Amino acid sequence: AQSVTQPDIHITVSEGASLELRCNYSYGATPYLFWYVQSPGQGLQLLLKYFSGDTLVQGIKGFEAEFKRSQSSFNLRKPSVHWSDAAEYFCAVSTSGTYKYIFGTGTRLKVLA
Amino acid sequence: DTAVSQTPKYLVTQMGNDKSIKCEQNLGHDTMYWYKQDSKKFLKIMFSYNNKELIINETVPNRFSPKSPDKAHLNLHINSLELGDSAVYFCASSQDMGLGSGELFFGEGSRLTVL
Repeated sequence: AQSVTQPDIHITVSEGASLELRCNYSYGATPYLFWYVQSPGQGLQLLLKYFSGDTLVQGIKGFEAEFKRSQSSFNLRKPSVHWSDAAEYFCAVSTSGTYKYIFGTGTRLKVLA
Repeated sequence: DTAVSQTPKYLVTQMGNDKSIKCEQNLGHDTMYWYKQDSKKFLKIMFSYNNKELIINETVPNRFSPKSPDKAHLNLHINSLELGDSAVYFCASSQDMGLGSGELFFGEGSRLTVL
């Protein structure tokens, strides 16, 4: 069955520290991979996506993610976290022909001043 | 202009009532979705429509009935509301014609509370 796992429910980092949020997927076909961010009381906004090609993708707000097929992972990184990055982060997977995007359970990021 | 707009944003109602949530997108997308986000923030797809046709019905109780009068609108009607229906319902749209590669654009959500 198709699934997306985000092993960390909560992560707390200090402002200015680096960040890595983990995402693992289980998918039979070649996946399309996404990271979304949800601020409190808001809808989800796309940070970045991977379809093919360069396995390191750059997104908005200084985020990047690396696709590692051998590990079935698509981890999100940011070299220096800002207080405004505190939010819920979701990894999502889709594949051609399904009209379905499957989301992980989310990771809540807290940033300490 | 809001790309994907949902109304109402908040809905508080009694068990057994019927309620509707409306969604409109002005992005010209062909595909629209309803997602349910529970209290633990888990997002689960409910329905997917492509050009007004139902593509995905993800084992949702038939108390939930989506309707797409045109490809810019996807409404959700819920009959006989139950406590477990309390959640945030998100409408989304994409333009990928089932390729799976299109970005989802989300509305701000409609928080339904059933008392």
